[in-house]
Amino acid sequence: GNSVTQMEGPVTLSEEAFLTINCTYTATGYPSLFWYVQYPGEGLQLLLKATKADDKGSNKGFEATYRKETTSFHLEKGSVQVSDSAVYFCALTLGQGAQKLVFGQGTRLTINP
Amino acid sequence: EAQVTQNPRYLITVTGKKLTVTCSQNMNHEYMSWYRQDPGLGLRQIYYSMNVEVTDKGDVPEGYKVSRKEKRNFPLILESPSPNQTSLYFCASSFSGTSGGTGELFFGEGSRLTVL
Repeated sequence: GNSVTQMEGPVTLSEEAFLTINCTYTATGYPSLFWYVQYPGEGLQLLLKATKADDKGSNKGFEATYRKETTSFHLEKGSVQVSDSAVYFCALTLGQGAQKLVFGQGTRLTINP
Repeated sequence: EAQVTQNPRYLITVTGKKLTVTCSQNMNHEYMSWYRQDPGLGLRQIYYSMNVEVTDKGDVPEGYKVSRKEKRNFPLILESPSPNQTSLYFCASSFSGTSGGTGELFFGEGSRLTVL
């Protein structure tokens, strides 16, 4: 079946550190890939996405590249801020719509000043 | 403002007492869905709806019911809640794939339910 695996959390970093959150997937076909972010007390919101191999999604200083050969979509940021503290979810969908969206288990990120 | 609104945000109830969590969206989305979020398990889909009067089970539908009588509303019903339904619930909506949806879901702020 289709699934998403994220690196185990929680992750704690100091401000201005480099961030990587690993995400790998298993899918029958060619999925679209997403990163969602959940700030404390809020619902999830889309951070970035990529719809085909070698696409790079980017937003708010975060980037992720769709790597078909390694079935990965790792999230990176060069210099994190305290305001980036949140839970990050990797997700995939094989359909055009959101009805088949499959989420990873989430990675909690805490940034210390 | 485009949004998905859930109510109540917090609820403590007792086993067996029927409850409904409402969800409303103002973006004219065809697709709506309910998820539960539990530690270590991520988000699991309970039910979804592709359009009015069209609903289907997700991955964990047991103990829940839904209805979609209007496009904007998608209530989640727990007929006889049990302690294992204690969780954080999210409603989400989007355009469907056939109307240009890209897979982006818009989430409500969540409803934290405790069943004693």
